Amino acid sequence: GAVVSQHPSRVICKSGTSVKIECRSLDFQATTMFWYRQFPKQSLMLMATSNEGSKATYEQGVEKDKFLINHASLTLSTLTVTSAHPEDSSFYICSARDRRGPGTEAFFGQGTRLTVV
Amino acid sequence: AQSVTQPDIHITVSEGASLELRCNYSYGATPYLFWYVQSPGQGLQLLLKYFSGDTLVQGIKGFEAEFKRSQSSFNLRKPSVHWSDAAEYFCAVGPSSGNTGKLIFGQGTTLQVKP
Repeated sequence: GAVVSQHPSRVICKSGTSVKIECRSLDFQATTMFWYRQFPKQSLMLMATSNEGSKATYEQGVEKDKFLINHASLTLSTLTVTSAHPEDSSFYICSARDRRGPGTEAFFGQGTRLTVV
Repeated sequence: AQSVTQPDIHITVSEGASLELRCNYSYGATPYLFWYVQSPGQGLQLLLKYFSGDTLVQGIKGFEAEFKRSQSSFNLRKPSVHWSDAAEYFCAVGPSSGNTGKLIFGQGTTLQVKP
């Protein structure tokens, strides 16, 4: 099956620093990747859609300057949380859609637990 | 507006009992439908999906779900629950064309299994 690897799985950073999270499709090419955020005991909320070779599309209310997304290749998208603050602490999950055609599902990474202290 | 509703926030069942988790959706067109399971601190594991065809879908770990278009529902069922099924369950919908993979999730249902 399709595998999506997310790294790191857990990160603790100081307030004011930036953190980069990687999402890789290991055995398929993904023209589109998605970034979700999950608060404790809540559902997943889509933050942005990452398109290979073009700018990401952000959902309403998500600060694009705060959450920088880069999708430089067909197998890698990165989410950088800039100038992180404690309220950015959350579980971030990516998913990747196989480029092979419409109607294909997206596969999820294992998530990244970000704690800002 | 597009949305997914899981009416039951928390469900407790006895091991060996049957289970049904409810999911209702509001979507402009016939969507793709998914059920995911999440253990604490973990990512999402796909249990099953419905794209088209037979409205009764079989998934992993003995789960099944039935798509009922008239009721806009996609309820998840399992005949006999095991203690290892205790987890968070999410129903999700996504477009059947265009940007498939862009999902809207329900609020989740926490399943507790009593011995």
